[in-house]
Amino acid sequence: NAGVTQTPKFQVLKTGQSMTLQCAQDMNHNSMYWYRQDPGMGLRLIYYSASEGTTDKGEVPNGYNVSRLNKREFSLRLESAAPSQTSVYFCASSPDRYNEQFFGPGTRLTVL
Amino acid sequence: GENVEQHPSTLSVQEGDSAVIKCTYSDSASNYFPWYKQELGKGPQLIIDIRSNVGEKKDQRIAVTLNKTAKHFSLHITETQPEDSAVYFCAASGITGANNLFFGTGTRLTVIP
Repeated sequence: NAGVTQTPKFQVLKTGQSMTLQCAQDMNHNSMYWYRQDPGMGLRLIYYSASEGTTDKGEVPNGYNVSRLNKREFSLRLESAAPSQTSVYFCASSPDRYNEQFFGPGTRLTVL
Repeated sequence: GENVEQHPSTLSVQEGDSAVIKCTYSDSASNYFPWYKQELGKGPQLIIDIRSNVGEKKDQRIAVTLNKTAKHFSLHITETQPEDSAVYFCAASGITGANNLFFGTGTRLTVIP
């Protein structure tokens, strides 16, 4: 099993550009999450999907959209990137929302 | 929402010594407290967790204690080894489950050989 995979690993954008971060899990988990990690601030939840077909806002959803494409895949979209969105983005999944979350390797995004 | 504070931000110990990291939380409804280890360039990985119906949990060299009254929980690593060097994060989740997982700001642990 590959676990949680994320693409791309690195990305540089200019202000105003759009992009989609991809995430997939092969553990048959119901719940999936997107976090951002900034220096000195830990991880903050952007959006989550408790189960296929549902998505909900987390702590810092502004400027992002998500799609739960199917049970395996959960994508994060930046419609108009801003320098404040420079961060490391982590996708995670869990069997359900009451158990351990498994994290992917992260995407390092820089917005110039 | 929940507010999780974590101390210290950096910790250096000699190999073989113990390391203790402490966290406090604000929401008395929180009932799940995981600890994650993050190595350089990787995603966080769960090392131990505890639920609010127990006060202590141990797994080999790692233990976690929870004081619900005082709203704090701690990670204890005994007989530290160089491979324990990493950033450690505590987290707390509210009554609705891990959808509301709130993380501390992390502790960079360095084990000196």
